[in-house]
Amino acid sequence: DGGITQSPKYLFRKEGQNVTLSCEQNLNHDAMYWYRQDPGQGLRLIYYSQIVNDFQKGDIAEGYSVSREKKESFPLTVTSAQKNPTAFYLCASSTSGSYQETQYFGPGTRLLVL
Amino acid sequence: DAKTTQPPSMDCAEGRAANLPCNHSTISGNEYVYWYRQIHSQGPQYIIHGLKNNETNEMASLIITEDRKSSTLILPHATLRDTAVYYCIVRVRNYGQNFVFGPGTRLSVLP
Repeated sequence: DGGITQSPKYLFRKEGQNVTLSCEQNLNHDAMYWYRQDPGQGLRLIYYSQIVNDFQKGDIAEGYSVSREKKESFPLTVTSAQKNPTAFYLCASSTSGSYQETQYFGPGTRLLVL
Repeated sequence: DAKTTQPPSMDCAEGRAANLPCNHSTISGNEYVYWYRQIHSQGPQYIIHGLKNNETNEMASLIITEDRKSSTLILPHATLRDTAVYYCIVRVRNYGQNFVFGPGTRLSVLP
């Protein structure tokens, strides 16, 4: 089936530890996005990538890093510099140059700090 | 992108139509109206989008007023599985730009 997968579903981070969230898509989409969602809030953009080997900061990029070495993959690293990382993280992707440009979301990863 | 205003919560009886309003009074001519929904602890799900004509698909209908300053998402026969937070977003349909999600409307479908 075509879609976006995120792993793990739940992730626990110790103080001072870096953790990496996985996002994979087999929709052949060029653009990929990472959002953060806090309880009762809307989504906020962390990073996005329009093409392989290129990415841009979103509204809340501090304390996060990404890479885009493959079209299918857009991993997000939550570094120790992110002081409040507990949140629900959502990955999305969209087509390029299509009249029907719509973002499709993965199931999300919930990150908890121990 | 234009800002949207939605009621924080709504109730709807199962089997009845759910009408979710959205105000976007500052929308510009090239901005589309998108609707997504998010069921608890899942990723947002695309529902429908439109520019100025009314749109319908297998999930819902989108009614946009003639002045485009507001719109209504209609779920014709709401079920318990439609209980979710519904987001109305207006944006220019440019590839690679993010969607700005506000707090949305929490729809509760009641048995």
